[in-house]
Amino acid sequence: AQSVTQLDSQVPVFEEAPVELRCNYSSSVSVYLFWYVQYPNQGLQLLLKYLSGSTLVKGINGFEAEFNKSQTSFHLRKPSVHISDTAEYFCAVTPVQTGANNLFFGTGTRLTVIP
Amino acid sequence: SQTIHQWPATLVQPVGSPLSLECTVEGTSNPNLYWYRQAAGRGLQLLFYSVGIGQISSEVPQNLSASRPQDRQFILSSKKLLLSDSGFYLCAWRDSSSFYEQYFGPGTRLTVT
Repeated sequence: AQSVTQLDSQVPVFEEAPVELRCNYSSSVSVYLFWYVQYPNQGLQLLLKYLSGSTLVKGINGFEAEFNKSQTSFHLRKPSVHISDTAEYFCAVTPVQTGANNLFFGTGTRLTVIP
Repeated sequence: SQTIHQWPATLVQPVGSPLSLECTVEGTSNPNLYWYRQAAGRGLQLLFYSVGIGQISSEVPQNLSASRPQDRQFILSSKKLLLSDSGFYLCAWRDSSSFYEQYFGPGTRLTVT
């Protein structure tokens, strides 16, 4: 079975400061990894994904994430946040296997950018 | 390009009333379809998924049911709503030839009073 842990439920950060949102996962098989963003009262939007290859993945809106297999982590980073980055961020994994259907989500991290 | 629709956007229903939420996808064929619920302050809970017409898998036993009457239509229903059914309901689709990401609809905010 797979599980995803987002240790920080809330992260306040000042505008133009860097931010890191942490994600750790547990799985007995290889996984693909994703970060989604949810703005208030909206659906989830894919920020970035790791499938294979380079462990540093760049996504939309200036976000990037680094896959660390030994630490089973996939932390999301942005060097300088904007007010518009205020949202809920979800880390998710899916097992790399034929027929796998489900995304397993963390409980989310609410990022609040302070002017 | 693909588009996913959900309606209604918001819904307020009394306890014991029926429920029907609809989700449709455009621009793709034979998608995998999903229903999630997001309770206040919590993550996403997968409720149902479907790999084809009439094929429904339930992840959590509960007061809800799902149906897929057409290839790109997914319906979430209840005969009698409970207070605990309140939440934000999200529909998602995935290309059945891909093992990768899911794409989400705008969601339905359900309040059971």
